[in-house]
Amino acid sequence: AQTVTQSQPEMSVQEAETVTLSCTYDTSENNYYLFWYKQPPSRQMILVIRQEAYKQQNATENRFSVNFQKAAKSFSLKISDSQLGDTAMYFCAFISHGGSQGNLIFGKGTKLSVKP
Amino acid sequence: DTAVSQTPKYLVTQMGNDKSIKCEQNLGHDTMYWYKQDSKKFLKIMFSYNNKELIINETVPNRFSPKSPDKAHLNLHINSLELGDSAVYFCASSQRGGAYEQYFGPGTRLTVT
Repeated sequence: AQTVTQSQPEMSVQEAETVTLSCTYDTSENNYYLFWYKQPPSRQMILVIRQEAYKQQNATENRFSVNFQKAAKSFSLKISDSQLGDTAMYFCAFISHGGSQGNLIFGKGTKLSVKP
Repeated sequence: DTAVSQTPKYLVTQMGNDKSIKCEQNLGHDTMYWYKQDSKKFLKIMFSYNNKELIINETVPNRFSPKSPDKAHLNLHINSLELGDSAVYFCASSQRGGAYEQYFGPGTRLTVT
């Protein structure tokens, strides 16, 4: 069974600085997708970034980028120039390209606080 | 226009009651989902529907019954509510099942007293 582990329950960063959130996963499959979702205090789940396992190039979305290490099964999220609005829970998620349709598996989340 | 909407956003009810949560998506997606987020923020899938057919039914008590009148709607009906059902329930949709990003509704916070 696939699992997703986020080892940092809470993190904090000063505004304008850079922070990296860790995520590891376990799977025997070769084709899959990985996501980072953000959940601010408003409760809305917002997709931050996605990565296809077959792509070697790390995904980037403005200030958000990932470090995808397929062999190590690691998928960390780097937030550059942190802003107060980045304060949120961040969830790493895995989905298999085959197997159970749509079974998005989440980690337990990292609570990020951006301090002024 | 809201992509995935849920009603109500908050629901407070007593043990033993029956309640429903409604979900609608206007994205033209084929697949819709229900997730439960517990008090520790852990998210777990409950159900998935693809073109009105159930394709995932994780180990959820049969007091929970999803109903999909059409592919734009997926409602969640809960019978005989228990204290442990208190959680935030999220509806989501995706273009089709599998490895497509899922778009989430705003969530419904259910409190059972």
